[in-house]
Amino acid sequence: EPEVTQTPSHQVTQMGQEVILRCVPISNHLYFYWYRQILGQKVEFLVSFYNNEISEKSEIFDDQFSVERPDGSNFTLKIRSTKLEDSAMYFCASSGTSGGDRNEQFFGPGTRLTVL
Amino acid sequence: DAKTTQPNSMESNEEEPVHLPCNHSTISGTDYIHWYRQLPSQGPEYVIHGLTSNVNNRMASLAIAEDRKSSTLILHRATLRDAAVYYCILTLFGGSQGNLIFGKGTKLSVKP
Repeated sequence: EPEVTQTPSHQVTQMGQEVILRCVPISNHLYFYWYRQILGQKVEFLVSFYNNEISEKSEIFDDQFSVERPDGSNFTLKIRSTKLEDSAMYFCASSGTSGGDRNEQFFGPGTRLTVL
Repeated sequence: DAKTTQPNSMESNEEEPVHLPCNHSTISGTDYIHWYRQLPSQGPEYVIHGLTSNVNNRMASLAIAEDRKSSTLILHRATLRDAAVYYCILTLFGGSQGNLIFGKGTKLSVKP
C-alpha cells in the first residue's frame, strides 16, 4: 500500500539554525500539506500546496517558514531561523488524484524537531 | 470552519461495539463530516467521511443524523489496536483541497 514517508524521523538543532524537513508524498497525489503537533497539544494546520503554489496557510506559517516541491517527488518544509517554540512533531500529508476520491488525507509518520 | 464537540474520553471493552458521538450544530450544507484517528506516537489516519447518508467501510460506520447536527462513529468490534484519539472534523468541499482543523478529539481506551 502506498504511503507518505518523512525524513529524518528526529532532528535536533540549535536555536537560530535553519532546518529542512523532507517528505515524499504518495506518487499520484496532487495536494500536499504540513501540520505540526506540539507535545501534548492538538494537531495544527500549517500550509497546503497545490499546482506548485501555496493554496492555504495558517497564522503559524509566517515568513520564517517556506515550502517547496523541488522535483516530482519531494515536498519540503524549511524553517529559516528556528525558535524554541518550533519544537514539535511535524506531519506531512497528501491527498487527491486526478480522478479518484479526494477526501482522504494520508499522513506520514512525522519528524520530531527539537530546538535547543 | 464549523465547530465540533466531542467527549474528552471514552472507554470500551475489547470485542464490544463503540459509539463515538460528535455534535456539529452549526454545520452548513456544504460541510463534509470526516473522522480521523491518531494512534499513540503516530500520524493521524483517515477513518471515514460522509455528507448526508450513513457510510460504511472496512474500518467503521458513520451514522449521520437527519438534520446533520450530529454524527456517530461506530466501531463494530473494538480491538486493543483501536485505542487512539478520534477526531470529528468538518470540511468544506470534502477536505482534500483545504486544511483539516483538529480539535482535542475523544481519547478511546480499550480494555482487554
